[in-house]
Amino acid sequence: GENVEQHPSTLSVQEGDSAVIKCTYSDSASNYFPWYKQELGKGPQLIIDIRSNVGEKKDQRIAVTLNKTAKHFSLHITETQPEDSAVYFCAATKGGSYIPTFGRGTSLIVHP
Amino acid sequence: DAGVTQSPTHLIKTRGQQVTLRCSPKSGHDTVSWYQQALGQGPQFIFQYYEEEERQRGNFPDRFSGHQFPNYSSELNVNALLLGDSALYLCASSSPSGGSLETQYFGPGTRLLVL
Repeated sequence: GENVEQHPSTLSVQEGDSAVIKCTYSDSASNYFPWYKQELGKGPQLIIDIRSNVGEKKDQRIAVTLNKTAKHFSLHITETQPEDSAVYFCAATKGGSYIPTFGRGTSLIVHP
Repeated sequence: DAGVTQSPTHLIKTRGQQVTLRCSPKSGHDTVSWYQQALGQGPQFIFQYYEEEERQRGNFPDRFSGHQFPNYSSELNVNALLLGDSALYLCASSSPSGGSLETQYFGPGTRLLVL
């Protein structure tokens, strides 16, 4: 089955800095890659997603890149703010399955 | 537009007991998936329901069962609870007719503690 590796497990930055979280996947049949933000005591919230026919997608301060050949994708957050502090999960979904396989999460801490 | 709702928010049970968790999908969604999230881990897929049938199942024992009702709401049942069943149980909904089936929207979860 699909295996998703996510790094780093913890990321500490100063307010205003950029943050990058990287994920790799194993199954070349995966074609949909969502990113979720989970705040303490809440369920995961979808923040951005990308499909395999696209190399990059942006939404304000958030961007995701995908390299199908290398089977890795990354989340970029610019101008970080304290409210960006949360656990971020990447996931990979195999075409036809519609069930995401999640990474283990990255705890992002943004210091004011 | 109501999002995914789950009840109860917290639950404490003892080993060997049975538990039922409930989920109402996002408005317009007809597919419900359940996940188990252990502390410090990503969500693990339990099963998915569509048209009141279990469509896919993850690597979980038969002690985990579910049901979907005609109004698309769903229940997760766990029998013979073990200490290791303590986790956050998440429900997610998606919509094959209204849009992307891959895009799943999560509820706030039910925190289950087994003593």
